[in-house]
Amino acid sequence: DAGVIQSPRHEVTEMGQEVTLRCKPISGHNSLFWYRQTMMRGLELLIYFNNNVPIDDSGMPEDRFSAKMPNASFSTLKIQPSEPRDSAVYFCASSPLAGVDGELFFGEGSRLTVL
Amino acid sequence: GENVEQHPSTLSVQEGDSAVIKCTYSDSASNYFPWYKQELGKRPQLIIDIRSNVGEKKDQRIAVTLNKTAKHFSLHITETQPEDSAVYFCAASPRNNYGQNFVFGPGTRLSVLP
Repeated sequence: DAGVIQSPRHEVTEMGQEVTLRCKPISGHNSLFWYRQTMMRGLELLIYFNNNVPIDDSGMPEDRFSAKMPNASFSTLKIQPSEPRDSAVYFCASSPLAGVDGELFFGEGSRLTVL
Repeated sequence: GENVEQHPSTLSVQEGDSAVIKCTYSDSASNYFPWYKQELGKRPQLIIDIRSNVGEKKDQRIAVTLNKTAKHFSLHITETQPEDSAVYFCAASPRNNYGQNFVFGPGTRLSVLP
């Protein structure tokens, strides 16, 4: 298995532009998580899905952030409009067992820089 | 919700010495406690985990202990090597009717000095 696949790996954009980050979880995994990592705040959970349904989005910073999971093999995290403080590494992770303890597998991350 | 604290934030040890990282959690519903290692520029990767029905688990040079009454758990690395240098994250996993979440501590930057 190729693991959790994220794209793009790097994105540099200007303030005010829309940013879309993409994630393909490991096949068969039914939990998907979006984390944001910065030096100051560490690994912050933004949102997670079980069986494509958003369970907890309390970590989403504000209305500028939105996430979708239209099917079991694809999720997006969108920022519109982007701001310099959104600069961070965004990790997608998936877990094989919804409702049961299971290992969390991370993607390589998407490094976002907003100028 | 769950809150995880982790100490120390940075740790330097001499090669061959032991390193200990401690975490506390707040939600008594948490019953799964993984530890992740993140090397510079890489993704976090699981190194060891422990479930609430176990007090201690060991895997070669790495061990984890759990005290559910006190709500704390610790990572122990013995005979440290330079390749152990990385950021280590503890996590607590609370379960609810919808499934499993993972809440991470702020991380510990471990430096193993040759």
